[in-house]
Amino acid sequence: AQSVSQHNHHVILSEAASLELGCNYSYGGTVNLFWYVQYPGQHLQLLLKYFSGDPLVKGIKGFEAEFIKSKFSFNLRKPSVQWSDTAEYFCAVNPGTASKLTFGTGTRLQVTL
Amino acid sequence: NAGVTQTPKFQVLKTGQSMTLQCAQDMNHEYMSWYRQDPGMGLRLIHYSVGAGITDQGEVPNGYNVSRSTTEDFPLRLLSAAPSQTSVYFCASSYGLRDPRQEQYFGPGTRLTVT
Repeated sequence: AQSVSQHNHHVILSEAASLELGCNYSYGGTVNLFWYVQYPGQHLQLLLKYFSGDPLVKGIKGFEAEFIKSKFSFNLRKPSVQWSDTAEYFCAVNPGTASKLTFGTGTRLQVTL
Repeated sequence: NAGVTQTPKFQVLKTGQSMTLQCAQDMNHEYMSWYRQDPGMGLRLIHYSVGAGITDQGEVPNGYNVSRSTTEDFPLRLLSAAPSQTSVYFCASSYGLRDPRQEQYFGPGTRLTVT
């Protein structure tokens, strides 16, 4: 069965700092990869996704992620975080032929002014 | 489009009571699913459906039933609530087998407390 690991459970950054959140998955076949964000009190929204092509994908609000197949990783990055990026971030994976998503445990990002 | 809607937003149950969490979508999505979100555990899949009349178990199905009589609706039933089912429940939908690359759209969630 596939699994997803997010190693950072709680990250605290100052505004304008750079962000990188780790995500590793275990699945031997083709996968689709997603990052979702959950702002306080809100439901999950898609930040970005990767399914093929350029391994560097850009999403909304200045976020990007890089798929490194050899490392089974899909790390999320942002060059300069803002206070409004305070949220919980989830990495998720589904096999290339099915919609069943497996989520990581999430990373809570707190951005201080 | 209303997207994915869930009712109720909040619910408190006593141990042993039953209830149904409602989920509906108006996007003609084939795939629908239920997750529970618990602190430090992310979202875990309870049940899912790839189309009307077809359901299957996810990672944590015990204590929950589902049915899918229409494309639009996917209710989640708790037959005899237990304190371990205190959680936030999210329903999600997507195009499913037509395109697994598409994102899943999430509802606003139901916060359930079982005392």
